[in-house]
Amino acid sequence: ETGVTQTPRHLVMGMTNKKSLKCEQHLGHNAMYWYKQSAKKPLELMFVYNFKEQTENNSVPSRFSPECPNSSHLFLHLHTLQPEDSALYLCASSQGGSTYNEQFFGPGTRLTVL
Amino acid sequence: QKEVEQDPGPLSVPEGAIVSLNCTYSNSAFQYFMWYRQYSRKGPELLMYTYSSGNKEDGRFTAQVDKSSKYISLFIRDSQPSDSATYLCAMSHSGNTPLVFGKGTRLSVIA
Repeated sequence: ETGVTQTPRHLVMGMTNKKSLKCEQHLGHNAMYWYKQSAKKPLELMFVYNFKEQTENNSVPSRFSPECPNSSHLFLHLHTLQPEDSALYLCASSQGGSTYNEQFFGPGTRLTVL
Repeated sequence: QKEVEQDPGPLSVPEGAIVSLNCTYSNSAFQYFMWYRQYSRKGPELLMYTYSSGNKEDGRFTAQVDKSSKYISLFIRDSQPSDSATYLCAMSHSGNTPLVFGKGTRLSVIA
């Protein structure tokens, strides 16, 4: 595997379900990100981890819970989501430290909440 | 006023045309400017990365930054059907601040 991978690629869940999104980067980077991409809206930064420490939480509702066990893996745990949470969830990574600019993205997980 | 404005299109051009994609921004503190290309059902990929004002060329692509006008452009020469994608501009104050993205412009290059 190369670059940034995300699983699953598609997910349909009910509002009462609990599910997790997984991201793995094979680039030796130290910073990882979760973004939400909705139609006709700019990419919204959700969380940033730099050297496994959370450095940004962009006022994300608590029904989204990130986890970063090491610099290569990032999870987004989902519970009691709302239909408006349906979107493409993108993971990205970058060198980290003070280099956030050159971010490499995964293919995303298309989430549908029924 | 939104921090970054980008016309969502769609923009449709014939193969071989010169394409101009643009973003305007309101925050004069932005110094780093990026263009990402996103194909359908894929994540964005970094296309061009520039610092401060000026031009940067890479093959058929030229990125231009005019900080005095708070305006950035991406030019695509000899456009190809494979250039059909959504182009996102992004910018930041420094290397350790979050990127601010535009909404993206959807481009179709017709053969």
